[in-house]
Amino acid sequence: AQTVTQSQPEMSVQEAETVTLSCTYDTSESDYYLFWYKQPPSRQMILVIRQEAYKQQNATENRFSVNFQKAAKSFSLKISDSQLGDAAMYFCARGGSNYKLTFGKGTLLTVNP
Amino acid sequence: GAVVSQHPSRVICKSGTSVKIECRSLDFQATTMFWYRQFPKQSLMLMATSNEGSKATYEQGVEKDKFLINHASLTLSTLTVTSAHPEDSSFYICSAVTGQGNYGYTFGSGTRLTVV
Repeated sequence: AQTVTQSQPEMSVQEAETVTLSCTYDTSESDYYLFWYKQPPSRQMILVIRQEAYKQQNATENRFSVNFQKAAKSFSLKISDSQLGDAAMYFCARGGSNYKLTFGKGTLLTVNP
Repeated sequence: GAVVSQHPSRVICKSGTSVKIECRSLDFQATTMFWYRQFPKQSLMLMATSNEGSKATYEQGVEKDKFLINHASLTLSTLTVTSAHPEDSSFYICSAVTGQGNYGYTFGSGTRLTVV
């Protein structure tokens, strides 16, 4: 089975500090996409950042950036200048040629004031 | 941006009855939609892939006769939970594939189903 692994069930960070959430994945495809989604208590899935596997440059979206290591099949998310509104469950996901998304088990992020 | 409207947001039904959940793409055509189930504090589990005009493809272990999926138009996919039981109580989420080639996903807001 092609899996996505998030090894940190919970993480906490102080407001304004930086935190990194880890994700590793398994795939036999050469062309695929990687995503980080945020799920706040409302349970609406919100796209945080997206990376195409064929791109070597790491994706960034304002305070959010990724460290994409294709050979190691690693896709970590860095949140800079953490804000209280960043507190949520974060899911790493991989999409392949069949468009199916495989999700990791999630990391619950707490932001301490 | 692309929006998927999911209804109802919450539903309570009696054991043995059926419940229909709708997902509608508001400003784009959704050829492919996915249905997920999420238990509290757990990840999203893919139940089935819904393709417009064809039969849904179910993941292993998902009962086709219990979870009926219909994708009769490019903007509407429905999930019907038939003969619901308390163990079917869960959070159900749909998503639609958006774009071609450089694709993405738009998620509905989810439906909390409680079977009593």
